[in-house]
Amino acid sequence: GAGVSQSPRYKVAKRGQDVALRCDPISGHVSLFWYQQALGQGPEFLTYFQNEAQLDKSGLPSDRFFAERPEGSVSTLKIQRTQQEDSAVYLCASRLGLDPQETQYFGPGTRLLVL
Amino acid sequence: DAKTTQPTSMDCAEGRAANLPCNHSTISGNEYVYWYRQIHSQGPQYIIHGLKNNETNEMASLIITEDRKSSTLILPHATLRDTAVYYCIVSPGGSNYKLTFGKGTLLTVNP
Repeated sequence: GAGVSQSPRYKVAKRGQDVALRCDPISGHVSLFWYQQALGQGPEFLTYFQNEAQLDKSGLPSDRFFAERPEGSVSTLKIQRTQQEDSAVYLCASRLGLDPQETQYFGPGTRLLVL
Repeated sequence: DAKTTQPTSMDCAEGRAANLPCNHSTISGNEYVYWYRQIHSQGPQYIIHGLKNNETNEMASLIITEDRKSSTLILPHATLRDTAVYYCIVSPGGSNYKLTFGKGTLLTVNP
């Protein structure tokens, strides 16, 4: 079956540009997470959605970062006025329900490079 | 969340068991131990989790000490494809449960 997909896989942006990163979770998965992974580091939590509701955005590093999931399925992470420190891999994960013991399934990530 | 301590890197010969340790001395009673791994250029992959009992699945075994302050992930017969960064994560329940990764252990399986 299809797993979590993300697009684009690679994105190069000039400093100051806006970017939009897409996540297609596994069909029917209620929970959706975004993580940021800097080079050589483990992933760090950005935000969490339960269906269309964004219940936790405590990990978003600044107000330039915005995420949405309007219909409770596909999610978009938008970064405005990109900076070089935004260069990282952005990972999306989905989980079937609300049980924290359920597995989080990760996508392959979008590698963002800001020049 | 409780923090974990893992060795930065480990080596293992192909076909041998790989034993990856993790210390989580500040773990509290309702916190689970999770293991994920990340193969180069891929997203993390769930391996196994447990609360206080030892667990086994088709991928690995998880041994948790009686005081729950440490655990060991065991890959019984490591293959070259098991080369990855392995993350030990401790986290409480809750529907907005988020995974707090550290730097993990880079396991290199050698032929």
